[in-house]
Amino acid sequence: NAGVTQTPKFRVLKTGQSMTLLCAQDMNHEYMYWYRQDPGMGLRLIHYSVGEGTTAKGEVPDGYNVSRLKKQNFLLGLESAAPSQTSVYFCASTPLGANYGYTFGSGTRLTVV
Amino acid sequence: QQQVKQSPQSLIVQKGGISIINCAYENTAFDYFPWYQQFPGKGPALLIAIRPDVSEKKEGRFTISFNKSAKQFSLHIMDSQPGDSATYFCAAKRTGANNLFFGTGTRLTVIP
Repeated sequence: NAGVTQTPKFRVLKTGQSMTLLCAQDMNHEYMYWYRQDPGMGLRLIHYSVGEGTTAKGEVPDGYNVSRLKKQNFLLGLESAAPSQTSVYFCASTPLGANYGYTFGSGTRLTVV
Repeated sequence: QQQVKQSPQSLIVQKGGISIINCAYENTAFDYFPWYQQFPGKGPALLIAIRPDVSEKKEGRFTISFNKSAKQFSLHIMDSQPGDSATYFCAAKRTGANNLFFGTGTRLTVIP
């Protein structure tokens, strides 16, 4: 039982390049989230999904797109990377229902130069 | 703007001491307040959580104190150990939603 798996773990991009971060969960959770973590700013929600085929914007969605074509996968895309997107990205999931703790992946450290 | 304000930013405690981390919020629609613990290179993990209908919740050495009227809640770590050295995040969730708003984090160092 792997929980939440994020790939890749590290990546360096040049400004203007694109990439996709993959999040996979094997717990049959309905909800999935993408957060970014920056020093002194905590975790901020980028986008989230309440089920297969649905996505919604979080606190800081600009510059990112997401897709959830399968229940177990949640993809985060950067179409044209900027240095301001240098961050650690975390995916998380929760089951249906209120007040369940998030299960987080181990993160992707992205550097945009 | 930060929905949940957390302090201090960093904290150094002697082994065996009490670590206290504080959080405050303004949105009265918040109905769930978890704390997460994060070790370097890892994702945050749920530590303990509380609902606003109780004033305190204890799990082992970890206690959440909740003051609904003041819109404040805090994490107390009793008998702090070097293994507790980590970053701690408080968070809050609105009624009817599943998204969490996180505080800015507190880096705790427990000195042997």
